[in-house]
Amino acid sequence: DTVLTQSPALAVSPGERVSISCRASEGVNSYMHWYQQKPGQQPKLLIYKASNLASGVPARFSGSGSGTDFTLTIDPVEADDTATYFCQQSWNDPNTFGAGTKLELK
Amino acid sequence: QVQLQQSGAELAKPGSSVKISCKASGYTFTSYYISWIKQTTGQGLEYIGYINTGSGGTNYNEKFKGKATLTVDKSSSTAFMQLSSLTPDDSAVYYCARGGRYPGQGGFAYWGQGTLVTVSS
Repeated sequence: DTVLTQSPALAVSPGERVSISCRASEGVNSYMHWYQQKPGQQPKLLIYKASNLASGVPARFSGSGSGTDFTLTIDPVEADDTATYFCQQSWNDPNTFGAGTKLELK
Repeated sequence: QVQLQQSGAELAKPGSSVKISCKASGYTFTSYYISWIKQTTGQGLEYIGYINTGSGGTNYNEKFKGKATLTVDKSSSTAFMQLSSLTPDDSAVYYCARGGRYPGQGGFAYWGQGTLVTVSS
């Protein structure tokens, strides 16, 4: 299975820019998607196919990358962005998810 | 608007089975695949598989073959997942989710609210 590696946690101040990385153990073309999950809620799609903003998602969120290295960027970060962020690949079978990056605000 | 409404929490005994439902509304049910995802604190998010809601065809993650069985009832726009031979390791929140018209096409834009399954004697 394709392993997706994310850093476990990040802490940033409101107004700053933050980049969350996801590295795949094998190529996933551009089929990487990003989600935000808050406690007690289902994941919310932010970015699909590496760089496409999902409907209703603020333009503060952006995605980049291809192949094995991908990045979710939030600029500027707001207090409401406190959450866990997951990457997911759908190029290789089975779909796999990263373990998540917990974003905390200082 | 697109909605996926899942059935309520389940408390089950080891060795038994549970069947979770996911009722879809706000779109043409048979035009989109439904996927199922398991979430635990320890293992994170795991992809179980998907069902073609038009044909009933399925694709399972090898890890969940023999554990999960996916079915649909087109007349009620409902997808089901049965989990069998339950063990404590099956305790998790299970989500149904809908993506694009084809599996893997894009991310999962719509999710059910999740169903908590607790396996305990």
